[in-house]
Amino acid sequence: AQSVTQLDSQVPVFEEAPVELRCNYSSSVSVYLFWYVQYPNQGLQLLLKYLSGSTLVKGINGFEAEFNKSQTSFHLRKPSVHISDTAEYFCAVSDENNAGNMLTFGGGTRLMVKP
Amino acid sequence: DGGITQSPKYLFRKEGQNVTLSCEQNLNHDAMYWYRQDPGQGLRLIYYSQIVNDFQKGDIAEGYSVSREKKESFPLTVTSAQKNPTAFYLCASSLTGAWDTYGYTFGSGTRLTVV
Repeated sequence: AQSVTQLDSQVPVFEEAPVELRCNYSSSVSVYLFWYVQYPNQGLQLLLKYLSGSTLVKGINGFEAEFNKSQTSFHLRKPSVHISDTAEYFCAVSDENNAGNMLTFGGGTRLMVKP
Repeated sequence: DGGITQSPKYLFRKEGQNVTLSCEQNLNHDAMYWYRQDPGQGLRLIYYSQIVNDFQKGDIAEGYSVSREKKESFPLTVTSAQKNPTAFYLCASSLTGAWDTYGYTFGSGTRLTVV
């Protein structure tokens, strides 16, 4: 069965500093990987996704993520964060064994950008 | 614009009452999902439906019920059997019931509080 681990529950960072939010997954077959962002009291919005092809995926708001099959990771990065990036970020995975179209979500990482 | 509408945004329930949360989508998506979100616990799946008139229990279905009489609608009832219903509830949909590459579209959530 697939699973997702987000290693950090909270990540504090100063404005304009770089940030990396870590995501590791467990699956023995081909996977699709997603990052979502949730602002307070709102639903989740898709940031970016890896389906196939280039392992470096660029998303909205200057975020990017790199798929690393050997390390089963899909870490999210941004070179310079803004106050407005303060939110909760969720990594999610679906694999080819999942005929029910189910996404499995990680526990989330709260990014706190400080001035 | 296409999307998912959840209503109400805030809901207060007295102990012992059943309440129903609405979720409507006009994306022509086959699959719909209900998640519960508690602080620090990520998203937990309550129920999902891959096709009209069919639905399956998720990880935490006890105390909840759903129906899927129309493709566009997937209401969630929180019954009096749910002992700790105070939480943020998220509805989502996806394009097909089979393995899907586009992830989920989320509603903006309903915050339920027991008073």
